[in-house]
Amino acid sequence: DGGITQSPKYLFRKEGQNVTLSCEQNLNHDAMYWYRQDPGQGLRLIYYSQIVNDFQKGDIAEGYSVSREKKESFPLTVTSAQKNPTAFYLCASSRGQGMIDGELFFGEGSRLTVL
Amino acid sequence: KNQVEQSPQSLIILEGKNCTLQCNYTVSPFSNLRWYKQDTGRGPVSLTIMTFSENTKSNGRYTATLDADTKQSSLHITASQLSDSASYICVVSAWDDYKLSFGAGTTVTVRA
Repeated sequence: DGGITQSPKYLFRKEGQNVTLSCEQNLNHDAMYWYRQDPGQGLRLIYYSQIVNDFQKGDIAEGYSVSREKKESFPLTVTSAQKNPTAFYLCASSRGQGMIDGELFFGEGSRLTVL
Repeated sequence: KNQVEQSPQSLIILEGKNCTLQCNYTVSPFSNLRWYKQDTGRGPVSLTIMTFSENTKSNGRYTATLDADTKQSSLHITASQLSDSASYICVVSAWDDYKLSFGAGTTVTVRA
């Protein structure tokens, strides 16, 4: 079955450590996204990529980094520069025009907790 | 600034009852509006999409309405089931902005 796989599901990090969240899709979608979800707030865009080897900052990119070396993969690194990284992270993909028609396909999410 | 406001923030209903969720937006120029369902600890899944010319669209027991003039949408859940317990998120897209606007969601709890 086609879909988006995020790993790990749960992750604990000590302050000062970098962590990388994995996102893989087999939907053959061109565009991929990373969102952050906090209680009581709408999803906020961290980074997005419309094509391999290209990505753009979203609204809250500070303290995060990404790469898009393969069409299927869009890993997110949460660096020590991110002041409040505890959150639920969602990876999504779309058929290229997801931002226009709004149809995103989401992974199951990764919950990061900073100890 | 494009914004999406959802109400209520949360609600509790008894199994078998109906409920209606509201979404008000200021996104312009409007492209479309989607309702997503997000189960606890899972990723959101699209329920319906509404374009400018559509007033009502159904997906099983879910019925979405759109009033583009007043910039309001609603999601009506009929004969609720325990599996309807989830967060429902309103997402609006604009033609000239490559970013989606997300509401904070309404958390629905269905009790037996």
